[in-house]
Amino acid sequence: DIRMTQSPSSLSASVGDRVTITCRASQSISYYLNWYQMKPGQAPKLLIFGASSLQSGVPPRFSGGGSGTDFTLTITSLQPEDFATYYCQQSYGTLPYTFGQGTKVDI
Amino acid sequence: QVQLQESGPGLVKPSQTLSLTCTVSGASITSGRRYWSWIRQSAGKEFEWIGRIFVSGNTDINPSLRSRVTISIDTSKNHFSLRLTSATAADTAMYYCARDISAPGKDAFDIWGQGTMVTVSS
Repeated sequence: DIRMTQSPSSLSASVGDRVTITCRASQSISYYLNWYQMKPGQAPKLLIFGASSLQSGVPPRFSGGGSGTDFTLTITSLQPEDFATYYCQQSYGTLPYTFGQGTKVDI
Repeated sequence: QVQLQESGPGLVKPSQTLSLTCTVSGASITSGRRYWSWIRQSAGKEFEWIGRIFVSGNTDINPSLRSRVTISIDTSKNHFSLRLTSATAADTAMYYCARDISAPGKDAFDIWGQGTMVTVSS
């Protein structure tokens, strides 16, 4: 299985901050990398697919980058509703799909 | 809009079968090129993809669970289901169903249910 490693596991930030989360794959996954936001009691929400494509309805302060093994999720100007846990997930070739361990963004 | 809702027992005894259903509303489960997946998240917060089903009934199952998992679909009821046999405490988790868009340039879970907590305990 392809192992996904996120860093950091948690971070503290303030409203208005720029935040970057990284995700590393154990082998090249081209651009088959997705990012999700998760809040307690809510369904996970797709933010970014294909490493850098913004899902419909997601604010443009979210952006994704990278290819191969190293990827980033950046939130410019953090908003109060962005405090959540973020997960990366690979959808490359051979199943099973696998996820990163998550990055909790809090105040 | 399309919504997914998981349902099933919240408590399962060890060695018994865990059974869950995901009901799709807002669209036909047969529309578009869609897979329908089951995913779980343990208390350690790690996500594990369990498997998926296509509208044709073809399935892909995580090899780590293949011997115990069956996923089925009932297009007349617009739902799909998960059966996991020989449950143990390690199967205690939040279980999610999700729509899996497997298409060129977009292969992601774009819609998720809110999840249902299943505890395996006597």
